[in-house]
Amino acid sequence: DTGVSQDPRHKITKRGQNVTFRCDPISEHNRLYWYRQTLGQGPEFLTYFQNEAQLEKSRLLSDRFSAERPKGSFSTLEIQRTEQGDSAMYLCASKTAYNEQFFGPGTRLTVL
Amino acid sequence: AQKITQTQPGMFVQEKEAVTLDCTYDTSDQSYGLFWYKQPSSGEMIFLIYQGSYDEQNATEGRYSLNFQKARKSANLVISASQLGDSAMYFCAMREVGTGNQFYFGTGTSLTVIP
Repeated sequence: DTGVSQDPRHKITKRGQNVTFRCDPISEHNRLYWYRQTLGQGPEFLTYFQNEAQLEKSRLLSDRFSAERPKGSFSTLEIQRTEQGDSAMYLCASKTAYNEQFFGPGTRLTVL
Repeated sequence: AQKITQTQPGMFVQEKEAVTLDCTYDTSDQSYGLFWYKQPSSGEMIFLIYQGSYDEQNATEGRYSLNFQKARKSANLVISASQLGDSAMYFCAMREVGTGNQFYFGTGTSLTVIP
């Protein structure tokens, strides 16, 4: 399967812990997006990479959130000092300049 | 103001009937793209159809068509001949070409197909 993959699929953590999620985009896709989706809502944009450069970051993203895409391939999203409000589905999507976004299956985070 | 508005939290349709899911958008850009995605209960987001702001013809993809009314800023999704497998959440999204690369999503419409 050559779709977007995300790891882990589920993560349960205690408040205050750090978590890191990984996204592997479709190999020829140079653009990568992270979204957060809470129950009953649409995906909310978090950040965007073009190759290894992080070109956009939502103003809603607190400084506890950081994302990297060191070699322009996979990306990681880290949340430091997790809070209960961080509980959500974290979605990754990738695309080329010309096509639509292809989404991964998401990582469901539960903060206890 | 919301960039994407979906006013129908839930919709029901009889199997084999057509259904229209509403979407209105707000932008001052001349160049933008409109997308519809399906999200089944399993959670993955599945791309359905795309309409560019300069496209004069309404987009169609199999049983999906996008009723694009630019002056009204609406981009409704029409699903013809509904199937039980169409039961899912449907999200309308927009990308403004001129103001960056963010995609804005609506709050979604839950569609239930009744046998």
